[in-house]
Amino acid sequence: EAQVTQNPRYLITVTGKKLTVTCSQNMNHEYMSWYRQDPGLGLRQIYYSMNVEVTDKGDVPEGYKVSRKEKRNFPLILESPSPNQTSLYFCASSPSRQGSDEQYFGPGTRLTVT
Amino acid sequence: AQKVTQAQTEISVVEKEDVTLDCVYETRDTTYYLFWYKQPPSGELVFLIRRNSFDEQNEISGRYSWNFQKSTSSFNFTITASQVVDSAVYFCALSGNYGQNFVFGPGTRLSVLP
Repeated sequence: EAQVTQNPRYLITVTGKKLTVTCSQNMNHEYMSWYRQDPGLGLRQIYYSMNVEVTDKGDVPEGYKVSRKEKRNFPLILESPSPNQTSLYFCASSPSRQGSDEQYFGPGTRLTVT
Repeated sequence: AQKVTQAQTEISVVEKEDVTLDCVYETRDTTYYLFWYKQPPSGELVFLIRRNSFDEQNEISGRYSWNFQKSTSSFNFTITASQVVDSAVYFCALSGNYGQNFVFGPGTRLSVLP
């Protein structure tokens, strides 16, 4: 089944404790991105990647890191999480970098930082 | 900069009523794409429709219809004869020609009451 998977689905952590949220897609998509969803703000793009080893900042990159060493994986790293990073996170992929491509979303990861 | 506005934060209707969700966008691009996504209570994001900037033809899919008007920079979504299962948060989104700039609106929460 074609899908985007994220792990973990739920995570509660403490301020400053490094964490990684994994994202994997099995559709051989070139383009992947991370979003955070907050009430009243919709989804905001954190980082995106147009291909392996090519990543760039989205609208809200502060406090996050990403890497794209393999085409299928695009982990999101929070090196020192803070409470304002408590949010619902979505990973997405699309076949190419073309703006016309529909994005396929993972199920979401709900992160709470205390 | 690109921007999407969904002025209706929450809408409640009674089943079988028609409802229109508004979406207004801003962009300087001549080629762009507009999307609608649905987020049911289960949390996943479901793609509904994509429209490119050169195609102003309205679209109907069952009870759903979309009205794209470049003159008013709007891409409104109408549900005819609403059903309880339509209850969800609906997001309008905008993309330039290259997917790095995928911008979501804040969403409209639709509640359809039995």
